[in-house]
Amino acid sequence: DVKVTQSSRYLVKRTGEKVFLECVQDMDHENMFWYRQDPGLGLRLIYFSYDVKMKEKGDIPEGYSVSREKKERFSLILESASTNQTSMYLCASSFWGQGTYNEQFFGPGTRLTVL
Amino acid sequence: KQEVTQIPAALSVPEGENLVLNCSFTDSAIYNLQWFRQDPGKGLTSLLLIQSSQREQTSGRLNASLDKSSGRSTLYIAASQPGDSATYLCAVSGFGNEKLTFGTGTRLTIIP
Repeated sequence: DVKVTQSSRYLVKRTGEKVFLECVQDMDHENMFWYRQDPGLGLRLIYFSYDVKMKEKGDIPEGYSVSREKKERFSLILESASTNQTSMYLCASSFWGQGTYNEQFFGPGTRLTVL
Repeated sequence: KQEVTQIPAALSVPEGENLVLNCSFTDSAIYNLQWFRQDPGKGLTSLLLIQSSQREQTSGRLNASLDKSSGRSTLYIAASQPGDSATYLCAVSGFGNEKLTFGTGTRLTIIP
């Protein structure tokens, strides 16, 4: 089974702090994604990566950056956390290849609260 | 821009009933459609993936159908159980595009 893990289930940070959210997958997937989920807005894509050191902006990249130094690990960075970044953050991965159809597998989520 | 809609936002049904959840999308040029389940405070669990060339997929008591021309998918749950209570999300991806566009989900409650 595909396993996607996230470093923390719950995180509380203060405004202005630099925050790192880590995601690791164990299935050698090329693609990795960071979403945030808010009530009434659904899941929105922040960034995704289709290979090591490669990244592309999603729909809401402002205030975030990402890092992918190894294939299995994708980090989301909040450079200076703000209260409007309080949210549930979900990581996902997928294998892009013939017959796989880009099925995405999700981690358990990190509930981030910025005070 | 692709938009995905799920109506109703919430649904309650007695245990044992069969039920249908709906998903509609505005751009029919999709690569695949995925149905997910999300329990409160948890991540998403992939239930079914339908490729654009397929009409339906089945897994146990779940059956998902796809009608690309009308921009609709349904998730049929047979003989519902209290353990089926969760939020169900559908998402679509386009050709050559790894990104998924999600609906806002239907919160399903099965009443014992």
